Amino acid sequence: EAGVAQSPRYKIIEKRQSVAFWCNPISGHATLYWYQQILGQGPKLLIQFQNNGVVDDSQLPKDRFSAERLKGVDSTLKIQPAKLEDSAVYLCASSLGGPTKMAFFGQGTRLTVV
Amino acid sequence: DQQVKQNSPSLSVQEGRISILNCDYTNSMFDYFLWYKKYPAEGPTFLISISSIKDKNEDGRFTVFLNKSAKHLSLHIVPSQPGDSAVYFCAARENNDMRFGAGTRLTVKP
Repeated sequence: EAGVAQSPRYKIIEKRQSVAFWCNPISGHATLYWYQQILGQGPKLLIQFQNNGVVDDSQLPKDRFSAERLKGVDSTLKIQPAKLEDSAVYLCASSLGGPTKMAFFGQGTRLTVV
Repeated sequence: DQQVKQNSPSLSVQEGRISILNCDYTNSMFDYFLWYKKYPAEGPTFLISISSIKDKNEDGRFTVFLNKSAKHLSLHIVPSQPGDSAVYFCAARENNDMRFGAGTRLTVKP
């Protein structure tokens, strides 16, 4: 079974530039998550989709971050404009849904804003 | 808000001994708890979980204990192996909302 795919693996941009990350979840997984993991901290949920609808985006900085999941499959996360404090690993995860179903993570995209 | 806390950033144990990783939480609405393991340059991988209606779940060398009254859970690894060296994240769920601790870096020395 293929895992969660993310691209790119690494990205370096200057502050005020924009960047986009892509995620392809495990086939059949209805729930998709984007997490931000700053160095030394645990993953922090940015947004959660159930199929192509947003379930929770309460911690997404909506003035600069946006995400979409067209057709309930692939998802993109965009930052525009980026700030230095956005430097982190952005993790995508997917699950079948339901409280007892574990989430499977991709390898993440390491973003460095200079 | 830190609803899930792992107060030990690192732990070092000798191969063959027991590793005990601890996690505390504040939200009594969490009903499912998970441990993830993370190697460098990889995403977290699921290790073991426990429902809030249980107090223990065992899978091979890994056992998770849950103390709901203390809002505390722990992961025991017996015996510890060098390949267990990784960062371990505790996670807790309320419905589909999953919150993570900051992680504990476990080093198992040969």
